[in-house]
Amino acid sequence: DVKVTQSSRYLVKRTGEKVFLECVQDMDHENMFWYRQDPGLGLRLIYFSYDVKMKEKGDIPEGYSVSREKKERFSLILESASTNQTSMYLCASSQGQPGLAGETQYFGPGTRLLVL
Amino acid sequence: DQQVKQNSPSLSVQEGRISILNCDYTNSMFDYFLWYKKYPAEGPTFLISISSIKDKNEDGRFTVFLNKSAKHLSLHIVPSQPGDSAVYFCAASSNSGYALNFGKGTSLLVTP
Repeated sequence: DVKVTQSSRYLVKRTGEKVFLECVQDMDHENMFWYRQDPGLGLRLIYFSYDVKMKEKGDIPEGYSVSREKKERFSLILESASTNQTSMYLCASSQGQPGLAGETQYFGPGTRLLVL
Repeated sequence: DQQVKQNSPSLSVQEGRISILNCDYTNSMFDYFLWYKKYPAEGPTFLISISSIKDKNEDGRFTVFLNKSAKHLSLHIVPSQPGDSAVYFCAASSNSGYALNFGKGTSLLVTP
């Protein structure tokens, strides 16, 4: 069974703190993604990675960085957390490109981050 | 700029009736479309997809229709059940990309 896990379900941090969100997938997928979900804005892509040590900016990368040292693990880093980064963060993984082989993305349960 | 649009933030339907969720897209390069379902405090789960070479795909109570000329797709749920109450996201991709473009979601409430 497909599994994407995220290190924390809920997190409370202070403004200016460095925050690490971890995501692990056990499906040997090539691609991993970080999204944030905000009310009225849907899911917005922050960064994705199509291979180990490779990363691509998504639609809203400002204020974030990522790390993928191992295939199964993709970390999202908030270098200096700000209140406007309070959100639900969702990690996803997929094997191929959507549509080419009917591939889809599998999501983790999400991390709800509150920055005070 | 939002390339995938779900213009109805919410929808309420009675149990047993049909739920129709709509989605429009602007990018003519999109050729694969998906619907995801999301319960509160959980990650989205894949529901159904359709390739641009088809105009309909059915899976049990769920059917997705694609109208390429109108750049419009819809998800039909028949019959609707209270357990279908969730937020539904429409997503699209092109065969040159890895990422999905998501709409803002439609919150469906199925009342007994």
